Amino acid sequence: EAGVTQFPSHSVIEKGQTVTLRCDPISGHDNLYWYRRVMGKEIKFLLHFVKESKQDESGMPNNRFLAERTGGTYSTLKVQPAELEDSGVYFCASSQESSGSPLHFGNGTRLTVT
Amino acid sequence: GNSVTQMEGPVTLSEEAFLTINCTYTATGYPSLFWYVQYPGEGLQLLLKATKADDKGSNKGFEATYRKETTSFHLEKGSVQVSDSAVYFCALFAYGQNFVFGPGTRLSVLP
Repeated sequence: EAGVTQFPSHSVIEKGQTVTLRCDPISGHDNLYWYRRVMGKEIKFLLHFVKESKQDESGMPNNRFLAERTGGTYSTLKVQPAELEDSGVYFCASSQESSGSPLHFGNGTRLTVT
Repeated sequence: GNSVTQMEGPVTLSEEAFLTINCTYTATGYPSLFWYVQYPGEGLQLLLKATKADDKGSNKGFEATYRKETTSFHLEKGSVQVSDSAVYFCALFAYGQNFVFGPGTRLSVLP
C-alpha cells in the first residue's frame, strides 16, 4: 500500500509570501493529522481531520495557518503570510482510527522562511 | 497537560554497544506509549508500542517496558548497528486526546 505522501519536500520562501503544503494520506484512512517540529524541538500537534471535518484544531498557532481537506481525501496547509518563526518541518500523518491507532507519517516538508 | 521528556542527545556509540534512551511521561489516566524512529531523509516510523502497564514492546532488537510506577518507557538495544543511526521519538496517546511527542534523541553509531 502507498504510504503518506507530502509535497513539496522542501520549500524556501521569503517572509510575507504564501506557501501551501499538501498531504495525501493512506487510502481509506479517515483520520489525518498535521504536526510541526520547529528548531529540533518536540513535534507539536497542529490539527486533526476526521474525513473532511476538523475534529481538533487547537494546535494551530494563529490565523495565518489554514488547513483544508475537501472531500475527505488529501489535505492542504496554507501559511499566509509566512513569518520567520514558521520555519520548521511539517509532518502529516494518517490513521484508520483515532483511538490510539499508530500514526503513519509522511516524510515531511521542510519549510524555510527567510 | 500530558507531556513526554526524553534524554537530550546527541548520543554517540560504537557499533555493538548497549543503548539506552530514557523516556518519562506525565499523563492523566492510562496512556499508550510508543517509540517512533526517523531515519535520515525519511518520515517517522513506528518502532514499538505498549498499551498497558508492564507490557513490553519489541521490534528489530529494540525493547521498551511500560513502567507505570516510574512513569517511564526507556528504549534499549543490546547491540547497536551503524544502520540504527536515526532520531528516536518517545510518544504517548491518551484516549480522547492527541499524540504527544518528546523532543527526539539523535543517535549516531560509529563503525
